[in-house]
Parts: sequence; structure tokens; C-alpha cells
Amino acid sequence: EAAVTQSPRNKVTVTGGNVTLSCRQTNSHNYMYWYRQDTGHGLRLIHYSYGAGNLQIGDVPDGYKATRTTQEDFFLLLELASPSQTSLYFCASSDLGSQNTLYFGAGTRLSVL
Amino acid sequence: TQTVSQSDAHVTVFEGDSVELRCNYSYGGSIYLSWYIQHHGHGLQFLLKYYSGNPVVQGVNGFEAEFSKSDSSFHLRKASVHWSDSAVYFCAAGGSNAKLTFGKGTKLSVKS
Repeated sequence: EAAVTQSPRNKVTVTGGNVTLSCRQTNSHNYMYWYRQDTGHGLRLIHYSYGAGNLQIGDVPDGYKATRTTQEDFFLLLELASPSQTSLYFCASSDLGSQNTLYFGAGTRLSVL
Repeated sequence: TQTVSQSDAHVTVFEGDSVELRCNYSYGGSIYLSWYIQHHGHGLQFLLKYYSGNPVVQGVNGFEAEFSKSDSSFHLRKASVHWSDSAVYFCAAGGSNAKLTFGKGTKLSVKS
């Protein structure tokens, strides 16, 4: 089974702060995703990538940068965090031949004060 | 633009009852449809998916879903629920671009 590990599990920062969320998957999947989960909105796609050095824009990209440094590692960057970015963030990965089957990490809960 | 609609935010049933969780989609093209389950405090886990062929697909733990092109639906069903099925269920739709769109989720509460 695919393993997707997110760190940190919890993070508190202040408005204007700089935050990096990390995600590593260990099953050589091509695709990696960052979603945010908010009550009343479900999961919304921020950014995704189909390989090292690639980045695709999701549905709610404003205020977020992302970087895929290796096939295993995908980072989400909030350079000027705002309270509206307080959320539960999930990373996921999938294989090229099974794009509809996502394997999710346990999530990172971010609070921006 | 693909959209996924889950009309029921919360469904409550008793253990042993059958349940249907509804999902409707809009998408112009070949579509993948799937269901995921999220237990409290955890990430999402894949349940089942449909792309083509038999419109009724089987998943884990007795769940099944039926695709209907005419109704633009992909409803999830289980004949007899257990208390451990209490969770939030998400319907998702995707196309050839690997971009998956999720519905807002339906919280299933199973009472004993």
C-alpha cells in the first residue's frame, strides 16, 4: 500500500509568517497533489504535479506556491500566511495508470493567527 | 469545468439498515468517478471507482456504486450498515488530465 507522509502534523503561525508543508511518498507514484479541506467546501485542489520539476495549477492556487523537488517530495509554501489559509491540508499521490486512485497522507492542520 | 454535487450533508441510519449516498456530476468528456471514505481524524481512503464497463462497481466492505449516464449520477450504496461505517464519504470525478474534483462530502452516522 502506498505510503504518504506529511509533516508537520500541526502548525501554528502568525499572519504574514512563512510556512512550508512537506509531503513524501515512497511508492514511486508520478502524480502528487495538495488539497485543503474546509467545512462546507469539502476538498479543494491547490496544486498538483506529474513529476519532479513539474507544477500544475489547481482550483484554489492564490497565496500558495508548490515545488516538486524529486519524485518522492512535494512541498507547499505559504510565503505570507493569512488567517483565510487556516485549514486542514492533505497531500496525495497516484500512479500514472490509476489516476483516479489517490493515496492520502494523514493531513497537516495549519492555524494562522 | 467539472463539478461534483453531494446533495445530503448528513445522513443518519440505524445499524443493519441500507443506505444510499447520492452523487451527481457534470463533466464534458470521458470521466472517472470514485468514492472515498474519511474516518474522523484521518486522511481519505479509496473505496471504489468507475471508468467504463459494468455500471455497478463493487468496493471494499460491502459498498457498491452505480453509474448512470442519463442521470449524471454515481450513487454509493450498502445493503446493511455497521456502526464502523460512520464516516464522511466523498464522491470525486476526474478526467484525462489527472485532476480530481471532490464533492463537499456526506457525513454518515450509524446508530446502534
